[in-house]
Amino acid sequence: SQQGEEDPQALSIQEGENATMNCSYKTSINNLQWYRQNSGRGLVHLILIRSNEREKHSGRLRVTLDTSKKSSSLLITASRAADTASYFCATSNFGNEKLTFGTGTRLTIIP
Amino acid sequence: EPEVTQTPSHQVTQMGQEVILRCVPISNHLYFYWYRQILGQKVEFLVSFYNNEISEKSEIFDDQFSVERPDGSNFTLKIRSTKLEDSAMYFCASRAYTNEGNEQFFGPGTRLTVL
Repeated sequence: SQQGEEDPQALSIQEGENATMNCSYKTSINNLQWYRQNSGRGLVHLILIRSNEREKHSGRLRVTLDTSKKSSSLLITASRAADTASYFCATSNFGNEKLTFGTGTRLTIIP
Repeated sequence: EPEVTQTPSHQVTQMGQEVILRCVPISNHLYFYWYRQILGQKVEFLVSFYNNEISEKSEIFDDQFSVERPDGSNFTLKIRSTKLEDSAMYFCASRAYTNEGNEQFFGPGTRLTVL
């Protein structure tokens, strides 16, 4: 498997439910970030969690990081139709900190 | 709120032609990046640029590619002789120098179509 793989690849839930997406990676990281991409559009930064952090919150978003398992999860609570998008995790190492993106989870919120 | 801008939003070109994709990073940022995303695939790193030189490049970034920061504000990606497989969304990103993390701000992308 490659650095940064999300699961599930696709997720459909009812509006109001919580959505959980997972990301696994292989190498040591400096931080991990989650991005959202609406179809055919640019990448919107959601949240960054550093390697020495275990959990972070931002509004309806909750991110966890387990460096021992090399995994992260993104929880979106009380989902809305506008949350429909693809979500990517991206890891960066030390140095120039280029981002290595995962394969993404396509989230569909059903009204 | 400052943002990264990219032009054009869509570029159509014939195979073998040269294209220049333009980006204006956020003004006080010091690190600049180009990524690309082939339709339906993951976002891939192309090149990073700091202090007026390339700091890292991927295997994709071969001799057909070059980057430049010609005037202290624009950041360009040139593809000298485009191939069909260069068709993709190209994203520019920038970040400030910070000890707080590595939040990279992305532009809206340029969709390159090579015919």
